[in-house]
Amino acid sequence: QSVLTQPPSASGTPGQRVTISCSGSSSNIGSNPVNWYQHLPGTAPKLFIFSDNQRPSGVPDRFSASKSGTSASLAISGLQSEDEADYYCAAWDDTSYVVFGGGTKVTVL
Amino acid sequence: EVQVVETGGGLIQPGGSLRLSCLASGFPVSSVYMNWVRLAPGRGLEWVSVIEKDDTTYYADSVRGRFTLSRDNSKNTVYFQMNNLRAEDTAVYYCARGVSGFSRGSRFDLWGQGTLVTVSS
Repeated sequence: QSVLTQPPSASGTPGQRVTISCSGSSSNIGSNPVNWYQHLPGTAPKLFIFSDNQRPSGVPDRFSASKSGTSASLAISGLQSEDEADYYCAAWDDTSYVVFGGGTKVTVL
Repeated sequence: EVQVVETGGGLIQPGGSLRLSCLASGFPVSSVYMNWVRLAPGRGLEWVSVIEKDDTTYYADSVRGRFTLSRDNSKNTVYFQMNNLRAEDTAVYYCARGVSGFSRGSRFDLWGQGTLVTVSS
């Protein structure tokens, strides 16, 4: 139902690397910057990555992001327990303004 | 402290109306574009509406014609009038500050904790 497609879940043990994918089209990811948001249920969502791969101040450098064509990805290197959250990709869409992915729940095993 | 706080959510019957408020602190709402984004049960985030610095408003197709966004600069508050509510409007509604212009670089750098709207008979 969401315009951008994400896997519903991802998991790893502490210290592992976890990658979340985000698939779109030429009208959104293919031609516009991608942003990522972290959301802990019951709290305010937080801008985590902007302009494809830029981290706002305060976001640990174990988080990185990239984009290729109509897909983007968020990687967490050295997974920690505090990284458990929902992660959403988002982008401007040339026909629908701002679109989001369905979110990926990251679980630390 | 720089923050936004949403209020006004609640339980409302289908076809009813509700007005949400977003009170900003630490910055003037007149200087930025302000958005509403909602999170429905079992679904992802959905951008719903924006009011730009010049008071231009845009809406998602799902709410256009039913919801209206406005701003009172003297109260540093943004209002979201929701009419003819439907069950599928049930969600947590977040107010979010936008940066980099409402265009291809658009991103939201400050969010509130949300207010729950439940549409049910």
